[in-house]
Amino acid sequence: GESVGLHLPTLSVQEGDNSIINCAYSNSASDYFIWYKQESGKGPQFIIDIRSNMDKRQGQRVTVLLNKTVKHLSLQIAATQPGDSAVYFCAENTGGFKTIFGAGTRLFVKA
Amino acid sequence: NAGVMQNPRHLVRRRGQEARLRCSPVKGHSHVYWYRQLPEEGLKFMVYLQKENIIDESGMPKERFSAEFPKEGPSILRIQQVVRGDSAAYFCASSAGQVSTDTQYFGPGTRLTVL
Repeated sequence: GESVGLHLPTLSVQEGDNSIINCAYSNSASDYFIWYKQESGKGPQFIIDIRSNMDKRQGQRVTVLLNKTVKHLSLQIAATQPGDSAVYFCAENTGGFKTIFGAGTRLFVKA
Repeated sequence: NAGVMQNPRHLVRRRGQEARLRCSPVKGHSHVYWYRQLPEEGLKFMVYLQKENIIDESGMPKERFSAEFPKEGPSILRIQQVVRGDSAAYFCASSAGQVSTDTQYFGPGTRLTVL
């Protein structure tokens, strides 16, 4: 079965607030993690990734945190905008080319 | 900007017919992946191919499903004798494949409906 799961299936935030999307994984051998954004009717879009030798990685308005001790991954979106409304997936890779996706969190941004 | 292209975008088939889904990877990418997504669920890995070779098909049903990525032309995911349970969105992704952490770029998907 899948080893990547999410704590919250939906998240509603006010425009301008920060969003935090969480993800748990169970495979301690996973060494590479990716966050994808999927808008309605479209394919997943790469947002940010992190390798297991890092705890934190920042992009433009997004930050990914990795806590290997508790096998937890989070995506932080700063100053959330209506265009950020989508489903967000965390995914893991155990060193091969096979990527395992979590179930997804739907983010609603209220204007 | 030639990203991953998939066609058709929507496909309707009756039970027992065949479905052929096509995927053209990003130019220069030699690694293709197929995923399946049911509504309100995550993507499930099906198969990973390099040119002319199937590398990992552990997520693909043994019966009725097949995939290929010929030397020339797009990758094809073929579903024979479709059943209603095959209704889903099928996504293709490609990567340059130099290392396992190479970013996978996804196509827009093919939505298969089996009547």
